[in-house]
Amino acid sequence: SQQGEEDPQALSIQEGENATMNCSYKTSINNLQWYRQNSGRGLVHLILIRSNEREKHSGRLRVTLDTSKKSSSLLITASRAADTASYFCATTAQNFNKFYFGSGTKLNVKP
Amino acid sequence: EAQVTQNPRYLITVTGKKLTVTCSQNMNHEYMSWYRQDPGLGLRQIYYSMNVEVTDKGDVPEGYKVSRKEKRNFPLILESPSPNQTSLYFCASSLLTGRTPYGYTFGSGTRLTVV
Repeated sequence: SQQGEEDPQALSIQEGENATMNCSYKTSINNLQWYRQNSGRGLVHLILIRSNEREKHSGRLRVTLDTSKKSSSLLITASRAADTASYFCATTAQNFNKFYFGSGTKLNVKP
Repeated sequence: EAQVTQNPRYLITVTGKKLTVTCSQNMNHEYMSWYRQDPGLGLRQIYYSMNVEVTDKGDVPEGYKVSRKEKRNFPLILESPSPNQTSLYFCASSLLTGRTPYGYTFGSGTRLTVV
């Protein structure tokens, strides 16, 4: 299975702190994506990083990808209470027509 | 506004009564997919479609049917629902790059309870 696994499963921090979540996967990928899900709602696409990229930024988000270790990390800087959500990584393989989602990291940002 | 629209948002039904959850997207996406989300099991793909009249099984297709007669619509059909199909369902669509989906736009979800 190519399914990603996020670590930690849950993370609780104070507003203003940085939050780091990790994702590991098993097979070679075409790209890796991060999604956010507010409780019971649909997932929202945050950022995509291709297999030939090592780092990408979008606003307060920074994603890194290490294909040799088959892992990625999502850093949210200066977190806000509104960042409280579950975060999922998803991977796709070259010429493979499925996404595989990890089990998610539940982030709680305390005001 | 670019979106994926699912209906209904909430549904309570009885075992064995056929139901359909509709999904429509307005982004001209080739790829559409259905997922179910259960506590501790994450998101699992039920069916997906690469284009009109092209559908294929995901990881948990048993008990479900789909059709893709038009590009924008991808309904999920439960012919004879059972309590183990109680779940939160999501429809999603994506552009394709080659044969690989690029990035999903998700619907708001349908919370189904089968009693």
